[in-house]
Amino acid sequence: ELKVEQNPLFLSMQEGKNYTIYCNYSTTSDRLYWYRQDPGKSLESLFVLLSNGAVKQEGRLMASLDTKARLSTLHITAAVHDLSATYFCAVYTSGTYKYIFGTGTRLKVLA
Amino acid sequence: GAVVSQHPSRVICKSGTSVKIECRSLDFQATTMFWYRQFPKKSLMLMATSNEGSKATYEQGVEKDKFLINHASLTLSTLTVTSAHPEDSSFYICSASSSQAQANYGYTFGSGTRLTVV
Repeated sequence: ELKVEQNPLFLSMQEGKNYTIYCNYSTTSDRLYWYRQDPGKSLESLFVLLSNGAVKQEGRLMASLDTKARLSTLHITAAVHDLSATYFCAVYTSGTYKYIFGTGTRLKVLA
Repeated sequence: GAVVSQHPSRVICKSGTSVKIECRSLDFQATTMFWYRQFPKKSLMLMATSNEGSKATYEQGVEKDKFLINHASLTLSTLTVTSAHPEDSSFYICSASSSQAQANYGYTFGSGTRLTVV
């Protein structure tokens, strides 16, 4: 059974600081996604990572994928309050055609 | 492109009644849609995979008779919570994608439905 774990589960950080969220998964996968969720809202797609070594950046967020280590990272640079949200990684397995979501990381950026 | 509409956004119902939630793909055809359930401050739990023209595939532990899924067309899947109880109160989210968009953008999620059973 595919398991997807994120750490940390909760993250409180000061504005201007950097931090990394980790997403580990237990079986091989050919795609990994990152999503953002604001309280009471649905999910917003952030990044799609399709191959080993893939790196994508948008603003203060950068995501990377290491399929050999079964690890993805979401790096936050110089955090701002607007980044406060819950971030999920989701792993897609072509054998089952399913997304399995990580446990989520609740980020709070303090002004 | 790849817009998914979910309705209603909020519903309050009495115990014992049934509630239907609709998920529509507005600008593409979706042979597969997914239904998720999310408890407060928790992750998304996949409930079932909805396949157009065939029976849904339910995840282990999800009651088929409680959560009825119908995917009668390429643009519409419905989730009916039957004989609702307070423990069914949750946030339900659907997702869908065209095969092309999925490779580049991933699945698109509906806006979610907050169900409260009183």
